[in-house]
Amino acid sequence: RKEVEQDPGPFNVPEGATVAFNCTYSNSASQSFFWYRQDCRKEPKLLMSVYSSGNEDGRFTAQLNRASQYISLLIRDSKLSDSATYLCVVNSQAAGKSTFGDGTTLTVKP
Amino acid sequence: DTGVSQNPRHKITKRGQNVTFRCDPISEHNRLYWYRQTLGQGPEFLTYFQNEAQLEKSRLLSDRFSAERPKGSFSTLEIQRTEQGDSAMYLCASSLSGDTTGKGRETQYFGPGTRLLVL
Repeated sequence: RKEVEQDPGPFNVPEGATVAFNCTYSNSASQSFFWYRQDCRKEPKLLMSVYSSGNEDGRFTAQLNRASQYISLLIRDSKLSDSATYLCVVNSQAAGKSTFGDGTTLTVKP
Repeated sequence: DTGVSQNPRHKITKRGQNVTFRCDPISEHNRLYWYRQTLGQGPEFLTYFQNEAQLEKSRLLSDRFSAERPKGSFSTLEIQRTEQGDSAMYLCASSLSGDTTGKGRETQYFGPGTRLLVL
C-alpha cells in the first residue's frame, strides 16, 4: 500500500462544474499537508497548504481530517485552465522528505 | 530568472554510462531536495540537503547514486553505471527554512527537471 493514495481519475468535467478530489495517507505522525498542481511535462507547483481547520483560496477549498487521515480539495466554478494533475503531498516533519501521491488528472471541457 | 534551474534539461545515454545533473537553487534557499518522477506517478523523494549537509536519503538512492552540495549552493546528482530503469524525470526543489510567506507553510519550489533516457 502506498503512503499517499489518490484516485487517479481522470475527471472530465464541463466548465463551471464543481469537482472534489480525495487523498488518504497512512502515516499517522504526518505533520503538514499540501496540494500541488502539475501541468503536462512541467514541474509541480504549490497550489495550497492544508490546515486542520480547513482553508480556502478563491475557488479552491482544502480540508483535512486527521482522525480519518484524509485530505480533500474542492474546486468550484471550474475553468479550462484548471486542467492539470493535482498531487496530494504529506510531510512527516517540518522539513525534509515530502511524500507525493500519484496525482489525480482533471480535464475541464468547454 | 531567479527560480530553480537544472541542467541539462534532457539527457540520452547508453546503459552503463555515468551521468551527472546539476541543480542551482533559488539563491537564498538553504534547503535542497532531489526527487525522481516516472510517467503516471508522483515525484519520489531521493535526498535532502540543509546547507552542505546531506540530512536524509531514500532507500531508492542505491549506491550507484550520489549527491553532493559542496558549498551549500548548487548540487549535483550523479548516477553511475546507468540502467534502463533509471529513465525518469529528475526534479530538484529548494526552500528557505522558516519561510511561510508564500502559502503559510515552508514551500518547496521545483526546477523544470532533467529528463533522462537510458537506452
